Amino acid sequence: EAGVTQFPSHSVIEKGQTVTLRCDPISGHDNLYWYRRVMGKEIKFLLHFVKESKQDESGMPNNRFLAERTGGTYSTLKVQPAELEDSGVYFCASSQQALVSEQYFGPGTRLTVT
Amino acid sequence: GENVEQHPSTLSVQEGDSAVIKCTYSDSASNYFPWYKQELGKGPQLIIDIRSNVGEKKDQRIAVTLNKTAKHFSLHITETQPEDSAVYFCAAYTGANSKLTFGKGITLSVRP
Repeated sequence: EAGVTQFPSHSVIEKGQTVTLRCDPISGHDNLYWYRRVMGKEIKFLLHFVKESKQDESGMPNNRFLAERTGGTYSTLKVQPAELEDSGVYFCASSQQALVSEQYFGPGTRLTVT
Repeated sequence: GENVEQHPSTLSVQEGDSAVIKCTYSDSASNYFPWYKQELGKGPQLIIDIRSNVGEKKDQRIAVTLNKTAKHFSLHITETQPEDSAVYFCAAYTGANSKLTFGKGITLSVRP
């Protein structure tokens, strides 16, 4: 069974540019989560999809971040325009049930904004 | 909201020794405490967890203890091996309609 995959693995962009991160959850997992870890800090929750619907987006930092999950399969997280403080590792996780104990994490996308 | 503190940020042990990683939490309503291991180039992987109605749980060389009164929980790794070197995150969860709150992570290095 393939795990959660994320693309790209690393992205370097300039301040003001746009970046789109992609997450492919484990097949059949209705629940998809985005998290972010700024260097040296804790992993922070961003949002939770159930199929194509946003269940909880309370962790999204501001309106420069837009997450979508059209069709309830893969998800994208767009940052526009990117700021220096957006640098970090963005993790995606998925689960079949909305149980934290069943969340499988992807390898993350390291975003560097210069 | 919940706040999880994890100290220190790095820990180095000799192969074969034990390692203990401690975390504290602030919300007494938290009832689930998972531990994650993140190896280089990979995402966090759940390695052990404990619920608030249990004081200790073991799985081979790893164990987790929970002290609800003091609001702290610890990860114990015995007979450490080089492959135990990784970043370890503790987290706390208060239940439905809440979210995982992570600590900052600790980098464990096991010296051969």
